[in-house]
Amino acid sequence: EAGVAQSPRYKIIEKRQSVAFWCNPISGHATLYWYQQILGQGPKLLIQFQNNGVVDDSQLPKDRFSAERLKGVDSTLKIQPAKLEDSAVYLCASSPRTSGNTDTQYFGPGTRLTVL
Amino acid sequence: GENVEQHPSTLSVQEGDSAVIKCTYSDSASNYFPWYKQELGKGPQLIIDIRSNVGEKKDQRIAVTLNKTAKHFSLHITETQPEDSAVYFCAPKNTNAGKSTFGDGTTLTVKP
Repeated sequence: EAGVAQSPRYKIIEKRQSVAFWCNPISGHATLYWYQQILGQGPKLLIQFQNNGVVDDSQLPKDRFSAERLKGVDSTLKIQPAKLEDSAVYLCASSPRTSGNTDTQYFGPGTRLTVL
Repeated sequence: GENVEQHPSTLSVQEGDSAVIKCTYSDSASNYFPWYKQELGKGPQLIIDIRSNVGEKKDQRIAVTLNKTAKHFSLHITETQPEDSAVYFCAPKNTNAGKSTFGDGTTLTVKP
């Protein structure tokens, strides 16, 4: 079974520029998550999709961050304009279901963003 | 929201020794308790989990214990090996609400 794919793996931009990240979840997984992981911290949820609908985006800075999951499969996360404090690893994860007894998340390798 | 704390933040052990990491949470409705391992340059990977109706679960050298009354659960690794060196995260979850909150991680170093 192929894992969660993310691209690019690394990105360096200057502040005020825009950037986009792509994620392809495990085939058949209905739930997709985007996390921001700042160095030395745990992943922080930015947005959660169930199929192509948003379940939780309460911690997404909507003035500069946007995300979409067209057709309920792959997803893109965009930052426009970027700030220095956006430097982090952006992790995508997917789960086979959102309710029930378990909700294991399968993570991709992440995209390391550096904002100069 | 859920407040999650992990202790210790760093842990160094000699190969063959045991390691214990504790996770304390605040939401009494949490009912799913996983531990993830993150190696350098990779995303977190689930290594063991437990549900609220179980007190302990073991998988070879790894075990998780849960104390719901005190709202904490712990990761136990026995006979540690250098390849166990990584950052470990707890992420308690209320599956009815659908949201996990990750701790800030514990960096485990196993010295050969």
